Amino acid sequence: GENVEQHPSTLSVQEGDSAVIKCTYSDSASNYFPWYKQELGKRPQLIIDIRSNVGEKKDQRIAVTLNKTAKHFSLHITETQPEDSAVYFCAASNSGPGNTGKLIFGQGTTLQVKP
Amino acid sequence: NAGVTQTPKFQVLKTGQSMTLQCAQDMNHEYMSWYRQDPGMGLRLIHYSVGAGITDQGEVPNGYNVSRSTTEDFPLRLLSAAPSQTSVYFCASSPMQGAFQPQRFGDGTRLSIL
Repeated sequence: GENVEQHPSTLSVQEGDSAVIKCTYSDSASNYFPWYKQELGKRPQLIIDIRSNVGEKKDQRIAVTLNKTAKHFSLHITETQPEDSAVYFCAASNSGPGNTGKLIFGQGTTLQVKP
Repeated sequence: NAGVTQTPKFQVLKTGQSMTLQCAQDMNHEYMSWYRQDPGMGLRLIHYSVGAGITDQGEVPNGYNVSRSTTEDFPLRLLSAAPSQTSVYFCASSPMQGAFQPQRFGDGTRLSIL
């Protein structure tokens, strides 16, 4: 089955710096890669997602890149702010007609943005 | 829409007790799933369902049962609770099986087994 590895487990940056979180997946059939942000004591919430037919997607200060050949994808946060401090999870699934869409998560990255 | 509703929010059980965690969604979503979250382990898939009457195992199904008699509800049952099942449990749903749709999560249930 699918396995998703996420690194680093913790990341500390100064406010205004960039943060990068990397994930690798094992199942070459995976074609949908969402990223979730979880604040302390709250539910995970989607921040950005990408399909395998797209190499990069950007939404304001957040971007995700995908390398299908190497089977890895990354989250990039620019101009970090203290409110970006949270746990971030990557995930992978084999989505589309006839597939279950079962979503497998990485282990999570705790991001701390220091003022 | 209330979204995904989980009850209870907190529960303490003794080893060997049984319990059902409730999950309901009012968005007519086909796909529903249960995850457990433990420190350093991320979100691990317990069971999932692609529609009423259809369920399947995830990564860590042992010790848990599920059923899906209606589109709206997807309860998770612990038949004989063990301390290793102490965790935060999240239910999630998405519109259609395999439709490139993100899953929406409930607020979670914090479960402690003594």
